[in-house]
Amino acid sequence: EAQVTQNPRYLITVTGKKLTVTCSQNMNHEYMSWYRQDPGLGLRQIYYSMNVEVTDKGDVPEGYKVSRKEKRNFPLILESPSPNQTSLYFCASSLLRTGITYEQYFGPGTRLTVT
Amino acid sequence: AQKVTQAQTEISVVEKEDVTLDCVYETRDTTYYLFWYKQPPSGELVFLIRRNSFDEQNEISGRYSWNFQKSTSSFNFTITASQVVDSAVYFCALSEAKAGGTSYGKLTFGQGTILTVHP
Repeated sequence: EAQVTQNPRYLITVTGKKLTVTCSQNMNHEYMSWYRQDPGLGLRQIYYSMNVEVTDKGDVPEGYKVSRKEKRNFPLILESPSPNQTSLYFCASSLLRTGITYEQYFGPGTRLTVT
Repeated sequence: AQKVTQAQTEISVVEKEDVTLDCVYETRDTTYYLFWYKQPPSGELVFLIRRNSFDEQNEISGRYSWNFQKSTSSFNFTITASQVVDSAVYFCALSEAKAGGTSYGKLTFGQGTILTVHP
């Protein structure tokens, strides 16, 4: 089954304790992205990657890191989480072709609470 | 900068009513894509439709239809004969294509419209 998986689905942590949210897709998509969803703000892009070893900042990258060492995986790293990073996080992937924007397929979401 | 506005924060209807969700966008690009996503109470995001800026034909898929009007920068979504299962948050999104044709796929989302369909 074609899918994007995220782990963990729920995470409660304390300020300053480093954490990683994993994301994996089995559709051989070049493009992967992380979003956060907050009430009244919709989804905002954190980071994206157009291929292995190619990553770039989205709209709200502060406090986050990513890496793309393999095509299928795109982990999100919070080196020192703070309460304002409490949010619902989505990973997404899509095909990438010149001049065409394809629909993104989203993972199930990770609900993170930082106390 | 691109922007998507969904002015209706919440809509409540009774089953079998038709309902239209509004989406207005802003972009300086001539080439762009518009999307609608559904987020049911279970939380996942479900892709509904993609439309590029050169295709202004309206689209119908079962009870769903979309009206794209470039002149008013709108991409509205209508559900005909709504059902309880249509209750969800609906997001409109915009993606610009970079000059030179390589899109980096950034989606700019609207704030979402919460649709509640009562039996």
